[in-house]
Amino acid sequence: EPEVTQTPSHQVTQMGQEVILRCVPISNHLYFYWYRQILGQKVEFLVSFYNNEISEKSEIFDDQFSVERPDGSNFTLKIRSTKLEDSAMYFCASSEGHRGAQQQFFGPGTRLTVL
Amino acid sequence: KNEVEQSPQNLTAQEGEFITINCSYSVGISALHWLQQHPGGGIVSLFMLSSGKKKHGRLIATINIQEKHSSLHITASHPRDSAVYICAAVPIGGSNYKLTFGKGTLLTVNP
Repeated sequence: EPEVTQTPSHQVTQMGQEVILRCVPISNHLYFYWYRQILGQKVEFLVSFYNNEISEKSEIFDDQFSVERPDGSNFTLKIRSTKLEDSAMYFCASSEGHRGAQQQFFGPGTRLTVL
Repeated sequence: KNEVEQSPQNLTAQEGEFITINCSYSVGISALHWLQQHPGGGIVSLFMLSSGKKKHGRLIATINIQEKHSSLHITASHPRDSAVYICAAVPIGGSNYKLTFGKGTLLTVNP
């Protein structure tokens, strides 16, 4: 069964460093998302991506964040200068996106720890 | 702003019991997702529904769009059902179907 994959599963970085979180969405899906979950809190929307551009972003998704689909399979989230408060679980999701809301399929997440 | 509220926050049951988790939301939605999050953190999509009822195995999800309410039921609960159950809404009008999440219900099923 097709699934969303994410790498790495755990990333530890120093404050101020850049990190890139990688996702491979399900191959025939058109909508891609990044969500994050700070420990003990609810999952929050970061950004959605369709047709090679950002379709919506939350207020959390400021200039330190960027997303890219560098090739036909990968979808990346870059955090340019990490802060302690960026420590969280980051989930990638994808959906087919045809004609209305579709079920979103989530990756296993990347746990980011900023020291 | 769409708020998604879940109840209860925590639920402990004995194996075999019938479980109900509730979700309510404050604005019009086009669909609602029920998700399961295990202790390791991974999220599994259980259902997406926009009307009526869906069933998968021992899980049943219902939604009443007019009353802005959805429920997730688990019949014959089992310890392996222990997880956090999250509802997430897709507000009407968005073009990207982003999800707004509830805080989750922590379910513990004891043998």
